[in-house]
Amino acid sequence: GQQVMQIPQYQHVQEGEDFTTYCNSSTTLSNIQWYKQRPGGHPVFLIQLVKSGEVKKQKRLTFQFGEAKKNSSLHITATQTTDVGTYFCTGKLIFGQGTTLQVKP
Amino acid sequence: AAGVIQSPRHLIKEKRETATLKCYPIPRHDTVYWYQQGPGQDPQFLISFYEKMQSDKGSIPDRFSAQQFSDYHSELNMSSLELGDSALYFCASSPRTGGVEQFFGPGTRLTVL
Repeated sequence: GQQVMQIPQYQHVQEGEDFTTYCNSSTTLSNIQWYKQRPGGHPVFLIQLVKSGEVKKQKRLTFQFGEAKKNSSLHITATQTTDVGTYFCTGKLIFGQGTTLQVKP
Repeated sequence: AAGVIQSPRHLIKEKRETATLKCYPIPRHDTVYWYQQGPGQDPQFLISFYEKMQSDKGSIPDRFSAQQFSDYHSELNMSSLELGDSALYFCASSPRTGGVEQFFGPGTRLTVL
């Protein structure tokens, strides 16, 4: 069946450093969604990417969808303590394992 | 703005008991999804409904069943509970099926003793 892999599993950064998480699907996706889950909270939708090679930005967050529509990335510039949480990608209802970001002030 | 409502928020059951989790989607959302999330794990898709019909089926055990009612709320029925069923159960809703933002509820934490 379809698999969605995310790396890294954990990332600790100093506040102000950049952060990137990568998502790879075993199958081609029609679209990919990114969610953020704060500790003790529920997943919250960040963005959906649909087009091959699409790049979208939300303030300090940059999302990219690969040309083959099988991989995606989320890059955060100059992390802040409010960025702490687990970032999940999902395609076709299958979630990646998530990348948990810790930010040291 | 109205959000997804889940009840109860916490539930403690004994092994082999049954449990029913309820989900009330955002008004005018016709699609409901159920997920199971173990500690430190990603949400595992269980099942979804669109317009009261099952639309997708994931890793839902045969001991579990679910349905969506005419008012669009959904219930997840879990029987013969096992220790491994202890998890956070999320319901999410969206205005239509297929590749649209899912709005997650706060979850029901089920503990099986």
